[in-house]
Amino acid sequence: EAEVAQSPRYKITEKSQAVAFWCDPISGHATLYWYRQILGQGPELLVQFQDESVVDDSQLPKDRFSAERLKGVDSTLKIQPAELGDSAMYLCASSLATVSRSGYTFGSGTRLTVV
Amino acid sequence: AQSVAQPEDQVNVAEGNPLTVKCTYSVSGNPYLFWYVQYPNRGLQFLLKYITGDNLVKGSYGFEAEFNKSQTSFHLKKPSALVSDSALYFCAVRDSFNTDKLIFGTGTRLQVFP
Repeated sequence: EAEVAQSPRYKITEKSQAVAFWCDPISGHATLYWYRQILGQGPELLVQFQDESVVDDSQLPKDRFSAERLKGVDSTLKIQPAELGDSAMYLCASSLATVSRSGYTFGSGTRLTVV
Repeated sequence: AQSVAQPEDQVNVAEGNPLTVKCTYSVSGNPYLFWYVQYPNRGLQFLLKYITGDNLVKGSYGFEAEFNKSQTSFHLKKPSALVSDSALYFCAVRDSFNTDKLIFGTGTRLQVFP
């Protein structure tokens, strides 16, 4: 079964350092999402791509977070500088069609700890 | 504002007994509702969805959910719980404005005891 690949699985970084996460969606999935899941809360959308274009980044803290999806395939989410409050699980998901038709397929996530 | 509420942080049930995980929603227009399950240190896995049609929706692993429009609820159910069902369960609703965005509840931890 096709999977959404994410790396690294775990990342510990010091505050004020830069950190980056990578996601490779299922082949052919045009829509890619980055969600952040803080402990004890549900996932919240940070950014959504349709191919290489950003569709929704309204909840992305743009002063420190950036995301790109060059060539419309894999994607990188970057945080610079990291803050203690950024500690969370960062989940990537992709979908073939609209969410109501095909839903999302999530990756296993990157758990970030900022110390 | 659009939102999903999962009123129980944790649900405990004995193996073999029926289980219910509660979810209520608030959304503009017709609701598109989803249930996902998350095992430790893993991403979310899709269980089932309600788009339209029958109020009782059947999904993966023997789970089902009942849509109740008058009570704005979408409770997850299973007739006979398994220890392996122990996990974190999330209810979600499709955003009315960004129709590819899901709004998730805070999650309910299901613990099934042998």
